[in-house]
Amino acid sequence: EPEVTQTPSHQVTQMGQEVILRCVPISNHLYFYWYRQILGQKVEFLVSFYNNEISEKSEIFDDQFSVERPDGSNFTLKIRSTKLEDSAMYFCASSVTNYNEQFFGPGTRLTVL
Amino acid sequence: AQRVTQPEKLLSVFKGAPVELKCNYSYSGSPELFWYVQYSRQRLQLLLRHISRESIKGFTADLNKGETSFHLKKPFAQEEDSAMYYCALKDSNSGYALNFGKGTSLLVTP
Repeated sequence: EPEVTQTPSHQVTQMGQEVILRCVPISNHLYFYWYRQILGQKVEFLVSFYNNEISEKSEIFDDQFSVERPDGSNFTLKIRSTKLEDSAMYFCASSVTNYNEQFFGPGTRLTVL
Repeated sequence: AQRVTQPEKLLSVFKGAPVELKCNYSYSGSPELFWYVQYSRQRLQLLLRHISRESIKGFTADLNKGETSFHLKKPFAQEEDSAMYYCALKDSNSGYALNFGKGTSLLVTP
């Protein structure tokens, strides 16, 4: 059964550094999402992406964040200058349409030191 | 604004006992409600959505618009039901984002 994959599983970085989190959505899916979960808190929506543009973003998704689909398979989340408070589990998800089930990846744990 | 409330952080029941995981929401639009489950060391996966009106793994959930609730129920809990359960809401017409509650950790003991 096809699954969403994410790399790396764990990323450690220094404050102020740029990080890129990578996701490979399910191949026939057209909608892509990023969520994050700070330890002990709820899963929070960051951004959705369709047809090579952002379709919706939350207040969390400020100018430090960007998303890209650089080729036909990858979907990336870039944080330009990481802060301590960016430490969280980042989940990628994809769906066939906006009305279908969102399938989640296993997550990337980002630790900012 | 959307809000999803799961009042219980942890729920512990004995095997074979009924279980109810509570979820209340507030949203002025047209909501679609979901239950997602995360088993130990596994990814988030959809358990139920209210429009499907299905029973999955013995779980059911009914959307009560009057009480703005979408409680998850199972008449006889099994040990393999132990997991983290998240209630989530999405605008059924135009939304993309899932708005999650904080989750309830269900522990089923023998």
